[in-house]
Amino acid sequence: RKEVEQDPGPFNVPEGATVAFNCTYSNSASQSFFWYRQDCRKEPKLLMSVYSSGNEDGRFTAQLNRASQYISLLIRDSKLSDSATYLCVVKGGGFKTIFGAGTRLFVKA
Amino acid sequence: SQTIHQWPATLVQPVGSPLSLECTVEGTSNPNLYWYRQAAGRGLQLLFYSVGIGQISSEVPQNLSASRPQDRQFILSSKKLLLSDSGFYLCAWSVLPSGSSYEQYFGPGTRLTVT
Repeated sequence: RKEVEQDPGPFNVPEGATVAFNCTYSNSASQSFFWYRQDCRKEPKLLMSVYSSGNEDGRFTAQLNRASQYISLLIRDSKLSDSATYLCVVKGGGFKTIFGAGTRLFVKA
Repeated sequence: SQTIHQWPATLVQPVGSPLSLECTVEGTSNPNLYWYRQAAGRGLQLLFYSVGIGQISSEVPQNLSASRPQDRQFILSSKKLLLSDSGFYLCAWSVLPSGSSYEQYFGPGTRLTVT
């Protein structure tokens, strides 16, 4: 089992749609969780950290379920500019940081 | 504000040639620094990290090495490149966390093709 698993997609959605990504992780001792966005042939950029209580930033909502060992990202009212690959990131103890392979999203007009 | 620079942006090197990629960070002191590699269509793989000058930790065995000669400079090297070294090399930095998170911020990357 991979340490961090994501559905590779692609997810093809129309503008205005709501789309949700899930990510599972295997190490129950993992401490910090993040979602990054990566555009084609560019570096990953931090989208948001994920807190136990869940957090929201505009159209984006992230949630953490420690008992089931998954995190989720919800994007509401999708924009064309949301098209990208979304990376789930899990940090364990020390400096070990595991990146998922990413989920590709295409938002179409 | 903090910025991170990497160069070159792209590089084509023959098998067996040496490699030197440089990363510098501005606007912060004593950052943690990281080198990652992303193969085509794959996730990021942590290669090295450093918590201070001269302090390097390796995550995977390979023919690459890293050095940190200055606080905000991180160098990735190889004496002899292999075809399998092709990929997108990313440098990242983080600072001691506020709270419990260790957000990492990435440079623009170097796309290496070994031929």
